Amino acid sequence: GEDVEQSLFLSVREGDSSVINCTYTDSSSTYLYWYKQEPGAGLQLLTYIFSNMDMKQDQRLTVLLNKKDKHLSLRIADTQTGDSAIYFCAEIIGEETSYDKVIFGPGTSLSVIP
Amino acid sequence: EAGVTQFPSHSVIEKGQTVTLRCDPISGHDNLYWYRRVMGKEIKFLLHFVKESKQDESGMPNNRFLAERTGGTYSTLKVQPAELEDSGVYFCASSQVRGLEQYFGPGTRLTVT
Repeated sequence: GEDVEQSLFLSVREGDSSVINCTYTDSSSTYLYWYKQEPGAGLQLLTYIFSNMDMKQDQRLTVLLNKKDKHLSLRIADTQTGDSAIYFCAEIIGEETSYDKVIFGPGTSLSVIP
Repeated sequence: EAGVTQFPSHSVIEKGQTVTLRCDPISGHDNLYWYRRVMGKEIKFLLHFVKESKQDESGMPNNRFLAERTGGTYSTLKVQPAELEDSGVYFCASSQVRGLEQYFGPGTRLTVT
C-alpha cells in the first residue's frame, strides 16, 4: 500500500539539532524526498535520496535511510529560526516506464524557539 | 530561470460555479503534475502529463475535474461545478526527468463557499 507517516509537530531551540522522522510502506520506492513549506509559500524541494543509498549530506542537512525498516530521517544541524516550516516526507513509486507519482506524508511542523 | 508559476494564487467561488486554475511549468520540462491538499489531509496526486498526453490520471477525484495541456506547455485544471469539499490548495509541479526532482509551484488556494 501507499502510506507515509510522520509526527505532526516538533519544537527545538535555536542552535540545537532537529531530527524529523518518517516511515513509509511501499518497498518499491525509488526515491525519497524532503520538501519544505514555509508559511504562505509553496513546496520547496530540500533534498532527496535514492533508495539504494544509506545517507546523504548537504551542508546542514543529513538524510538517513534505513530501507529494511522503511525509515527515513532528516537532521538539521544548528537549527535556525528560518528553518521554522512544515517538512514533508515523500516517496515516489513506480518503475521507469510506469507511474511516478509522489506520495506525501502529512507534514511535520517544526517550530524553532529563539 | 523562472520556477513553476500558478494562477490565481487564491480563488473564492460559490458552490456550483466553475473555476479554472492555470500552471506554467519550468521551460523545457515535459512532465507536469497536479496535486492538491484538501483541509486537514495529505497532499494527494491528481494527474501527470508528459507533454500534452495524460500519463496517469488515477488521482482525479471525479468527472467534475478536467485537466488539459494543449500544446504541451501550460496546463489548466477546471472544476465544474465546484463543491464545498473541493476547497484546498492545488499544487502544480514539473520535472525534466520523469518523477525525479519535481519542482512545485506556490499553489492556488481554492475556497468554495
